[in-house]
Amino acid sequence: EVQLLESGGGLVQPGGSLRLSCAASGFTFSSYAMSWVRQAPGKGLEWVSTISGSDGSTYYADSVKGRFTLSRDNSKNTLYLQMNSLRAEDTAVYYCAKLKWPIVATFVDYWGQGTLVTVSS
Amino acid sequence: DIQMTQSPSTLSASVGDRVTITCRASQSISTWLAWYQQKPGKAPKLLIYKASSLESGVPSRFSGSGSGTEVTLTISSLQPDDSATYYCQQYNSYSWTFGQGTKVEIK
Repeated sequence: EVQLLESGGGLVQPGGSLRLSCAASGFTFSSYAMSWVRQAPGKGLEWVSTISGSDGSTYYADSVKGRFTLSRDNSKNTLYLQMNSLRAEDTAVYYCAKLKWPIVATFVDYWGQGTLVTVSS
Repeated sequence: DIQMTQSPSTLSASVGDRVTITCRASQSISTWLAWYQQKPGKAPKLLIYKASSLESGVPSRFSGSGSGTEVTLTISSLQPDDSATYYCQQYNSYSWTFGQGTKVEIK
């Protein structure tokens, strides 16, 4: 059974940093692309970032480019999202997502339960 | 970036009704489109991929059609458990975009 368990969310002040983790199990982690998708309170889904399962290339939404860094540790079956220079508009539930294929232009077949990030003073 | 315009934003229908949700893309996405169902406080769930392929385990009352710039999700006979928000997602490139969502309510 595929499981994605996010952690690391919480309350942080504007300008602060936070690192989200996603522990994966139930599939060959290194063989699949992985993403983060966020959802602000009462709003829709927004793609944040994706890392390829083939060559480790990373891709970012313009709204987070230069502030967020996505990485993966295939030996620990874990995905990370380092978030710096956080803004109020980054407040959202962040979902870890497993993609169907190693390539990045594909869809999500499994989602984590989400972790809430609140940016506020 | 490709913009996805989903309609309607909300709809209210009765059990047994046929319901259709439409997503229009700002440029052709071929059939690179997925549909997700999200219930309050829960993660989204994949329903349809490649515009018309039904994900394993999803009831057959859900179907998808279309290509290019217009795709649709149809629920052939609305059930109480279908009360949720539905999102389309284009994956024509690495830069995904989602529709703004359609909230489906049961009358």
